[in-house]
Amino acid sequence: DTAVSQTPKYLVTQMGNDKSIKCEQNLGHDTMYWYKQDSKKFLKIMFSYNNKELIINETVPNRFSPKSPDKAHLNLHINSLELGDSAVYFCASSQDLREFGAQYFGPGTRLTVT
Amino acid sequence: AQSVTQPDIHITVSEGASLELRCNYSYGATPYLFWYVQSPGQGLQLLLKYFSGDTLVQGIKGFEAEFKRSQSSFNLRKPSVHWSDAAEYFCAVRNSGGYQKVTFGTGTKLQVIP
Repeated sequence: DTAVSQTPKYLVTQMGNDKSIKCEQNLGHDTMYWYKQDSKKFLKIMFSYNNKELIINETVPNRFSPKSPDKAHLNLHINSLELGDSAVYFCASSQDLREFGAQYFGPGTRLTVT
Repeated sequence: AQSVTQPDIHITVSEGASLELRCNYSYGATPYLFWYVQSPGQGLQLLLKYFSGDTLVQGIKGFEAEFKRSQSSFNLRKPSVHWSDAAEYFCAVRNSGGYQKVTFGTGTKLQVIP
């Protein structure tokens, strides 16, 4: 049983397009996150939701919009994709905010913008 | 703001040898500390965490780490490395007060030779 799942695993698209990545966790966790890992493997948090409420919103272009329909799902929508958006995007979850940092990660979505 | 340094970009050890991966952090108070492992094409997996208490922390897969406040370090160790331990290892630090933020190191790539 997959704890944190993401779809799609690979996403290749052209500049200017809009795309979404979906994430689901079946761990019963309260808190979910989106991370971006660049080509040098540097990992940076983008957003965090706790019980469907946005609580962390790092310096991310407003072309990126997270949506949490319920506490088991956190989707990421990206408008007007740019070359620099190419990266691996990871969804993660933790039991709650106290466990922020001790997270379960999904397998990642490799986004390539051409 | 906190920061974390992993001085070794790449380490090679022989199977069966001991391993120590270095992690140094910068933070004014006692931080929360984490080690993650990432196999190629996979998401990150939490190996262990330090929040408080005993400074020697046991994790999964036979790993342990020791928090040394005087050295601002949280080095990861394993007494006998297996070929399956070849992966990238990330240290992370979270501040213990104020606006919560987790910062990841740049990773250490471990190669295991027979």
